[in-house]
Amino acid sequence: DIQMTQSPSSLSVSVGDRVTITCQASQDISNYLNWYQQRPGQAPKVIVYDASNLKTGVPSRFSGSGSGTDFTFTINSLQPEDIATYYCQQYDNLPFTFGQGTKLEI
Amino acid sequence: DVQLVESGGGLVQPGGSLRLSCGASGFTFRNFWMQWVRQVPGQGLTWISGVSGDGSRTGYAESVKGRLTVSRDNANNTLYLEMTNLRVDDTAVYYCVRGFGFDVWGQGTMVAVSS
Repeated sequence: DIQMTQSPSSLSVSVGDRVTITCQASQDISNYLNWYQQRPGQAPKVIVYDASNLKTGVPSRFSGSGSGTDFTFTINSLQPEDIATYYCQQYDNLPFTFGQGTKLEI
Repeated sequence: DVQLVESGGGLVQPGGSLRLSCGASGFTFRNFWMQWVRQVPGQGLTWISGVSGDGSRTGYAESVKGRLTVSRDNANNTLYLEMTNLRVDDTAVYYCVRGFGFDVWGQGTMVAVSS
């Protein structure tokens, strides 16, 4: 199975901060990586797909980069509505696997 | 609107069975692989199963192989997850998800396994 190592597991943030989350795959997954946002009590939703493509309707302060084994997710100028838990996930090989999550806290 | 709606969750005793359903609307259901992902309350996400658009190919996480069976009815745009020999550690919210891109998620249905 491909292991997805995501860090940090939690982050204390303030409005306006630049937030960076990293995800490392245990083997090459090309660009088959999603980033999700999950707010409490809600289902996850895709923010970035194929490692660097922003889902339609998602604000441009969100971005993703990387390929192969190393990936980065960035939020520029954090807004209050961005407080959530973020997950990476590979969909290159079964079983599809998720990172452990990064919880943003004010 | 593209929508997935899960149902069938509930409280079941260890060793019991349950069938989850996921109704799809707003897209051509048969054209998409469909997935099941679960989340233990307060914890992360785990992919557990997927099925091809025509239902001929399936995949399972090791933790559920032999106990969970995924299937679909394309005539009625419905995805199923048959769960048998349930264990306490199967307690989770179960999400139905569209495609390899995981781009559409249902709202989830809660399964609680407890005596």
